[in-house]
Amino acid sequence: QQQVKQSPQSLIVQKGGISIINCAYENTAFDYFPWYQQFPGKGPALLIAIRPDVSEKKEGRFTISFNKSAKQFSLHIMDSQPGDSATYFCAAIGTGNQFYFGTGTSLTVIP
Amino acid sequence: DTGVSQDPRHKITKRGQNVTFRCDPISEHNRLYWYRQTLGQGPEFLTYFQNEAQLEKSRLLSDRFSAERPKGSFSTLEIQRTEQGDSAMYLCASSYGTANSPLHFGNGTRLTVT
Repeated sequence: QQQVKQSPQSLIVQKGGISIINCAYENTAFDYFPWYQQFPGKGPALLIAIRPDVSEKKEGRFTISFNKSAKQFSLHIMDSQPGDSATYFCAAIGTGNQFYFGTGTSLTVIP
Repeated sequence: DTGVSQDPRHKITKRGQNVTFRCDPISEHNRLYWYRQTLGQGPEFLTYFQNEAQLEKSRLLSDRFSAERPKGSFSTLEIQRTEQGDSAMYLCASSYGTANSPLHFGNGTRLTVT
């Protein structure tokens, strides 16, 4: 079964707007939650990551919000730009060696 | 740091043929992973090496799949008797340190089985 559930599947945002992508998980053993950005023809690239001991992490225009009790985390992209148009994957890993990825969100930022 | 390199970038093969992909990880990285990605899906774990030891394999990795990492450097993934369902992007990733260290992905090998 899908270890990490991601929504929405696709997202269209105007330039300058806020893009929000949500993920949920069930396995409480997960202790590292990265987000990856993938452009067509390229492999995923690490964007930002969080551990469950903090509720929020911000790097530039990208922010992760983490709700441990609800087992949910989200990516916020502030002041979205056309260059942010890509597919975004959330992921989680715990005590094992597998990163579990969400199904991806295709983001389109309209100029 | 030249990044993770994968070869070839694209491979078209007929059903029943064998194919082999190569991955060169970032040089100091001790952990190497193979993932498979199909259209509209996230990467799915196939197998993991720590140095030269293959420590974990997914049940997705049937008997037709084999991976090696001789000397703990580059890795190869071989698929024997390919099937149309094997068509996918095969991604290699490497990391250094613990299990939850960031993964650095290559740009993948896109396999098409006709």
